[in-house]
Amino acid sequence: EPEVTQTPSHQVTQMGQEVILRCVPISNHLYFYWYRQILGQKVEFLVSFYNNEISEKSEIFDDQFSVERPDGSNFTLKIRSTKLEDSAMYFCASSEARGLAGGPGETQYFGPGTRLLVL
Amino acid sequence: DAKTTQPTSMDCAEGRAANLPCNHSTISGNEYVYWYRQIHSQGPQYIIHGLKNNETNEMASLIITEDRKSSTLILPHATLRDTAVYYCIVRVAYNAGNMLTFGGGTRLMVKP
Repeated sequence: EPEVTQTPSHQVTQMGQEVILRCVPISNHLYFYWYRQILGQKVEFLVSFYNNEISEKSEIFDDQFSVERPDGSNFTLKIRSTKLEDSAMYFCASSEARGLAGGPGETQYFGPGTRLLVL
Repeated sequence: DAKTTQPTSMDCAEGRAANLPCNHSTISGNEYVYWYRQIHSQGPQYIIHGLKNNETNEMASLIITEDRKSSTLILPHATLRDTAVYYCIVRVAYNAGNMLTFGGGTRLMVKP
């Protein structure tokens, strides 16, 4: 069964450093998402991406964050200058289509996550 | 998107049916009910979704009341591996953003 994969599974970095989290969405999916979950808190939406453009983003997704689809298979989240509060699990998701909720292919499938620890 | 209310936690005996309720009394006609679960900080896993008819798949059944103000996710024969946080999410159809809004969910503990 196709699945979303993410690398690395764990990342430790120093405050102020740049990190890039990588995701390989399901191959025929066209919509890509990043979510994060701070330890003990809710899963929060960061950004959605389609056709090489950001579709929606939350207030969390400020200028320190960027996303990119550098090639036909990868989808990345970059944090330019990490802060202590960026420590969280970061989940990538993808869906085949978007539009009418509940329509075929609209379901989002999540990867296993990258645990980011900023020291 | 409509707000949902779920119990914070529930227990279920292994092998028995787990019935997880969700209240979404402000749901509107074009909103679907989705269920995801998250096993111990793993990525959220899609379970099932529906609009107004009851739905069943290999993982679970979804029962939606006739007025659509509440629903119940049923795991027919819970196993220890079903221990997880279960999220009920109501989503607006089209042109309203495509993000999933997760609440606190129900922490289901399946006990031997």
